[in-house]
Amino acid sequence: DTVLTQSPALAVSPGERVSISCRASEGVNSYMHWYQQKPGQQPKLLIYKASNLASGVPARFSGSGSGTDFTLTIDPVEADDTATYFCQQSWNDPRTFGGGTKLELK
Amino acid sequence: EVQLVESGGGLVQPGRSLKLSCAASGFTFSNYYMAWVRQAPKKGLEWVATISTSGSRTYYPDSVKGRFTISRDNAKSSLYLQMNSLKSEDTATYYCARHPGAITTPFDYWGQGVMVTVSS
Repeated sequence: DTVLTQSPALAVSPGERVSISCRASEGVNSYMHWYQQKPGQQPKLLIYKASNLASGVPARFSGSGSGTDFTLTIDPVEADDTATYFCQQSWNDPRTFGGGTKLELK
Repeated sequence: EVQLVESGGGLVQPGRSLKLSCAASGFTFSNYYMAWVRQAPKKGLEWVATISTSGSRTYYPDSVKGRFTISRDNAKSSLYLQMNSLKSEDTATYYCARHPGAITTPFDYWGQGVMVTVSS
């Protein structure tokens, strides 16, 4: 299976820029997607195919990368961005998710 | 507005069966691949199954293949997950989700989820 590795947690101050990384154990082309999940809620699609902003998502969110290394960037971070962020690949079988990065605001 | 509403969860003993349902509205259900994704308590997400628009093709990871069956009824705009031979490690919140395209696409809408607890 394709293992997606994310750092477990990050803490930033409002107004700062934050980058959340996702490293794949094998290439996934550009088929990497990012989701935001707030406590008690379902995940929400933010970015699809590495760099495409999903409908209704603020332009503060952006994605980059290809192959095995991907990044979700939030700039500037707002208080409402407190959540866990998951990456997911849809190139290799089975589809897999990263373990999630919990973003906390200082 | 796209809505996905899961039902059918609950407490079930190991080795028993359970069937989940997902009622879809706000879009033409028959035009979309659909999926189930689960999340164990305080854990990450795991893809469980995907079904094609007509239901002729289904996809599973090895962890559930042979025990779980995804199906759909386009006339009723409903998605199902039949879970057999349940194990404690199947305990999770199960989400119904929509693919915007074929199986290589992400999950663009998710339901609120339904809890399944496998325990004696």
